[in-house]
Order: sequence, then structure tokens, then C-alpha cells
Amino acid sequence: DAGVTQSPTHLIKTRGQQVTLRCSPKSGHDTVSWYQQALGQGPQFIFQYYEEEERQRGNFPDRFSGHQFPNYSSELNVNALLLGDSALYLCASSLVGFGANVLTFGAGSRLTVL
Amino acid sequence: QQQVKQSPQSLIVQKGGISIINCAYENTAFDYFPWYQQFPGKGPALLIAIRPDVSEKKEGRFTISFNKSAKQFSLHIMDSQPGDSATYFCAASMRQTGANNLFFGTGTRLTVIP
Repeated sequence: DAGVTQSPTHLIKTRGQQVTLRCSPKSGHDTVSWYQQALGQGPQFIFQYYEEEERQRGNFPDRFSGHQFPNYSSELNVNALLLGDSALYLCASSLVGFGANVLTFGAGSRLTVL
Repeated sequence: QQQVKQSPQSLIVQKGGISIINCAYENTAFDYFPWYQQFPGKGPALLIAIRPDVSEKKEGRFTISFNKSAKQFSLHIMDSQPGDSATYFCAASMRQTGANNLFFGTGTRLTVIP
């Protein structure tokens, strides 16, 4: 049973560019959340997608946007990249309803902005 | 503002010893308190979780102690093993901001010496 898969695993961008990160949830899960983990810090919630709509959002600017597809996979887009966007981006999936708190995380996509 | 404060930042324990990591929070609306374990190059994995209606939960060598009045909770790892060496994060969530919106502590890097 595949867990959460994310791509790419590493990428390097320059300031001002745009990036798209991809996530496939664990089989049977229908909800995807994205987190940003800066070096040496705990993950910070960006947003959550369920039924192809953004349901909850953390304290992140509109440069961060997302999408969820009918097969529950998801994309995270970041526009106008800043040096401070360098981080590990984690995707987590869960099943709405009972056990909604139980998140399964992927290994992340490490973004470096130069 | 850090909603969940975690200490210590790093911890070194002898094999067979007890590892103790502490967390504190202010927001009484939090109603779910998980602990995550993260190995280098991996995403966080749920270890154990507790709700505020119980004061202790034990799963194998891992125990959460919860003090609702003090707004503190801690993770105890009994008989610590070198394989437990990882970074541990406490977290909290509340219904108002969504079950998937976890507020993480800053992490504790545990090293268990053989």
C-alpha cells in the first residue's frame, strides 16, 4: 500500500520564479494538506483541500495556491519566489470524518530559492 | 507567535534510559494533541496522540502525560533505544481551525547513545 508520494524530491529555483509541487495521497484518503517546514523548525500549515476546494488556510500569502484533482491528488503552486520560501514542503493526506486528525505525511519536496 | 512551545531543543540519552520531552500551550480550544517522529529525509510520522479528556495514554514504550490545568503535555520514551534517535514534534489542533491544521512545536532532536 503506497503512502503519500511527492514530486520532485529536490528542486532549485531563483527569486521571482514560479514552482509547482505535486502530491498523491495515500490510497483511500480524500483530503490533502500542505505544510512548509523551514530548516530546524516544525511544519507550518499552508492549506487543506477536500472535494477539490480549499477548505482551510494558514497564515500564508496569496502567492501560495493549490489545486486538488478528481483523483484526490494535489498541486501546490508558489509564485514570485522569495529567498524565504526555501524549505521542505510536506504533503499530508487523511480521510474526512472519523480519524480526520490522523495525517500521513510524504517525504517532502525540498525547495531551494537562490 | 508560537502556539505550542516545546523543550528541550536537543536531548542525549543513554540506551535503556528514559527520554522526556515537554510541550506547553495557551489556547484552551485545542482538543487534540499528537506527537510526531521524523527521521532525516523522511516526513513526520504519527507516534501517539491524546485528547484532553484523559491524563495519560500509553502505547508500548511511548507514553503521553497530559495536564489540562497546567496546559502542558509530555512524551516519555521508556527504555530508549538507538533506533529512537530522531526529531520529535508535539502538535495541537482545534475544531475551529480544522482537524488537519496542526500547530507544531519547534522539535526536539533526540540522540540515544548505545
